Amino acid sequence: IAGITQAPTSQILAAGRRMTLRCTQDMRHNAMYWYRQDLGLGLRLIHYSNTAGTTGKGEVPDGYSVSRANTDDFPLTLASAVPSQTSVYFCASSDELGRQYFGPGTRLTVL
Amino acid sequence: DQQVKQNSPSLSVQEGRISILNCDYTNSMFDYFLWYKKYPAEGPTFLISISSIKDKNEDGRFTVFLNKSAKHLSLHIVPSQPGDSAVYFCAATPSFDRGSTLGRLYFGRGTQLTVWP
Repeated sequence: IAGITQAPTSQILAAGRRMTLRCTQDMRHNAMYWYRQDLGLGLRLIHYSNTAGTTGKGEVPDGYSVSRANTDDFPLTLASAVPSQTSVYFCASSDELGRQYFGPGTRLTVL
Repeated sequence: DQQVKQNSPSLSVQEGRISILNCDYTNSMFDYFLWYKKYPAEGPTFLISISSIKDKNEDGRFTVFLNKSAKHLSLHIVPSQPGDSAVYFCAATPSFDRGSTLGRLYFGRGTQLTVWP
């Protein structure tokens, strides 16, 4: 069982470019989440999805969009990357007890 | 506005001794609390949780204590081991946000635990 997979592992991106971070889970969890982790700021929620077909904004949604076409996939798109989006991005899903399971992360650098 | 606070960014403990990591919250609607552990270059992993109907939950070397009146929880690790060195995140979720699939977690900023030999 892979759990949560994320791709790419890391990426260097020029400012202004479009980028999609991929996230796939094989646990059939309904709820999925995207976080960014920045030094000293912990984990901040970008977007979430309670079930396929629905999405919602977290605390730092600006500059990001998500889609949830099916249960397994939850891609995060940066339409026009800016240097302040340099961060480590984590995708997660949660089980029926509320425990979230995280992917290994994508380290993104925007120059 | 940080609803979950971990006021100690770091903690250093000798191997074999007790590690106590603290967490405070401000939202009285939070009723489920979790601790996550994170190693460098890996995603956070679930460690232990506690519901607001309890004041203690124990799992091996890890015990979480909840003081609802003080809006405070703590994670005790006994005995501490060098492999416990990691960043520990406290998280909480409110009952009204849980619905059928349980809702978003509010995370603290983490405490870096270092266990030295």
